[in-house]
Amino acid sequence: GAGVSQSPSNKVTEKGKDVELRCDPISGHTALYWYRQRLGQGLEFLIYFQGNSAPDKSGLPSDRFSAERTGGSVSTLTIQRTQQEDSAVYLCASSLGIRGTRTDTQYFGPGTRLTVL
Amino acid sequence: RKEVEQDPGPFNVPEGATVAFNCTYSNSASQSFFWYRQDCRKEPKLLMSVYSSGNEDGRFTAQLNRASQYISLLIRDSKLSDSATYLCVVSPGGYQKVTFGTGTKLQVIP
Repeated sequence: GAGVSQSPSNKVTEKGKDVELRCDPISGHTALYWYRQRLGQGLEFLIYFQGNSAPDKSGLPSDRFSAERTGGSVSTLTIQRTQQEDSAVYLCASSLGIRGTRTDTQYFGPGTRLTVL
Repeated sequence: RKEVEQDPGPFNVPEGATVAFNCTYSNSASQSFFWYRQDCRKEPKLLMSVYSSGNEDGRFTAQLNRASQYISLLIRDSKLSDSATYLCVVSPGGYQKVTFGTGTKLQVIP
């Protein structure tokens, strides 16, 4: 079946511009995560959506970052007034999100490589 | 103390060697544990789940030690293709978010 998809795969923007990154999770997955990964670094948690609950935004680095998840499916991560330090790969992952051990398995999209000039 | 800690490495091992990584976690109530593999410039992919009784998948063995709050991954007969970063993942269960370690880099040398 279809996996997690993200678009665009690459985005080059100028400092100060706004960007929107899109994630299409696996159908039926209620949990959705956004991560940032700078070159050579580990995954940095940004935000977590679970069903209709209020999202866990504790990882968002500044108020320039926001995310929405419409209809419990597609999610958009928006970065306003981009800075060069925002350059990274932005990864989205989804999981079934139902209580239980195996359902926590996350499936990742291929990521969006953002370059801020 | 970080929620999940891993030795970043790199671990440089010759082909055919056995190598083991540990990952410690701080939340004693954690319920689910996983190992993911991430190749250079690729997204992480699930390698294996870690069960209380330990589990094996071919050359890979994962174990959980709840008393000492760590999980381990053992790779036997290392192959060049095993070169990657190995991420441990810990989940509190329920609807709480999972936490990834920063990864251990493995380089298998010919």
